[in-house]
Amino acid sequence: NAGVTQTPKFQVLKTGQSMTLQCAQDMNHNSMYWYRQDPGMGLRLIYYSASEGTTDKGEVPNGYNVSRLNKREFSLRLESAAPSQTSVYFCASREPITDYGYTFGSGTRLTVV
Amino acid sequence: GENVEQHPSTLSVQEGDSAVIKCTYSDSASNYFPWYKQELGKRPQLIIDIRSNVGEKKDQRIAVTLNKTAKHFSLHITETQPEDSAVYFCAAPSLRASGYSTLTFGKGTMLLVSP
Repeated sequence: NAGVTQTPKFQVLKTGQSMTLQCAQDMNHNSMYWYRQDPGMGLRLIYYSASEGTTDKGEVPNGYNVSRLNKREFSLRLESAAPSQTSVYFCASREPITDYGYTFGSGTRLTVV
Repeated sequence: GENVEQHPSTLSVQEGDSAVIKCTYSDSASNYFPWYKQELGKRPQLIIDIRSNVGEKKDQRIAVTLNKTAKHFSLHITETQPEDSAVYFCAAPSLRASGYSTLTFGKGTMLLVSP
């Protein structure tokens, strides 16, 4: 039981490049989330998917897009990376009916130069 | 949306001492308050949570207290050990425009336990 798996673990991009961060969970959770973590800022919500087929903006959605590909997978795309998007990105999932707690992936450390 | 304030930002204690981290929230309708521990380079992991129908919850050396009137909740760690050194985050639910609730996190407290 892997939980929440994120790929890649590390990535360096040049300004203007695009990339997709992948996230998959094997816990049959309905809800999935993307957060970014910056020093002194805590975890800030980028986008979330309450259930398969739905996505909504969080606190800091500008510069990002998401796709809930199926119940297991929730990807985050940077269309034109900027240095301000240098961060650690965490994907999380939970089952809202039975469990309030989030399970986080191991994170993707992204540097935009 | 919810606003979560967390204090202190750093906390240094000697091994065996107690540590207390405090959080305040703004939405009086919030009913679930988790605490996460994040070791260096690792993912945040849920260590304890409390729901609004209780005032205190304990799990071995950690406890969480909730004061709904004052809208604050606290994490208490007793008999601290070096392996307790980590960043701790509190969180509270935030109701989105969609009607769905997500977690809003505090900015974190770096706890350092010296042997």
